Amino acid sequence: KAGVTQTPRYLIKTRGQQVTLSCSPISGHRSVSWYQQTPGQGLQFLFEYFSETQRNKGNFPGRFSGRQFSNSRSEMNVSTLELGDSALYLCASSSGQGNGYTFGSGTRLTVV
Amino acid sequence: DQQVKQNSPSLSVQEGRISILNCDYTNSMFDYFLWYKKYPAEGPTFLISISSIKDKNEDGRFTVFLNKSAKHLSLHIVPSQPGDSAVYFCAASDVGGSNYKLTFGKGTLLTVNP
Repeated sequence: KAGVTQTPRYLIKTRGQQVTLSCSPISGHRSVSWYQQTPGQGLQFLFEYFSETQRNKGNFPGRFSGRQFSNSRSEMNVSTLELGDSALYLCASSSGQGNGYTFGSGTRLTVV
Repeated sequence: DQQVKQNSPSLSVQEGRISILNCDYTNSMFDYFLWYKKYPAEGPTFLISISSIKDKNEDGRFTVFLNKSAKHLSLHIVPSQPGDSAVYFCAASDVGGSNYKLTFGKGTLLTVNP
């Protein structure tokens, strides 16, 4: 079966702009989580959606938001981009029972 | 406040020998633990997991051991192969508390020398 698909793979944005990243989970998976990976902080949890509802949220500012659609696809949005938002953004899908997280290849965001 | 710690940033072993990667956690609510392997510019790949009701789980060359009293887990790879060279992340979650997020350690870079 197809894996987790994230688009785009690479993105360059200017400070102050906003960006939307997309994630298509494995078919049948209803949970989508987002993580930010940076060299200094490692992998940090952003938020998790299950059946279009946000169940958990990490410790990130309100500039980071997300949503999930009825087909389980998810988007995350970052507004007013800062240089420090440059990172690899990873999406993971699961059945929603707390195990079996499968990650996509990520979107590499560079803010200049 | 780092709840999952991987104290060894790197580890180097010879091909064919055992690789032991360690992970410590501080949150006693964690009840599910996972190990992921990651290559640069790719997403983490799931290796093996263990529930807190077990103390050992084995899958081929990979075995994870959990010591709840010490809040410590380890991943054993036997025998190690050059293709195992990657960054290994330990992760934990509180499934019983319906806290569906993974808390990751900062990773250990494993290098397996031919």
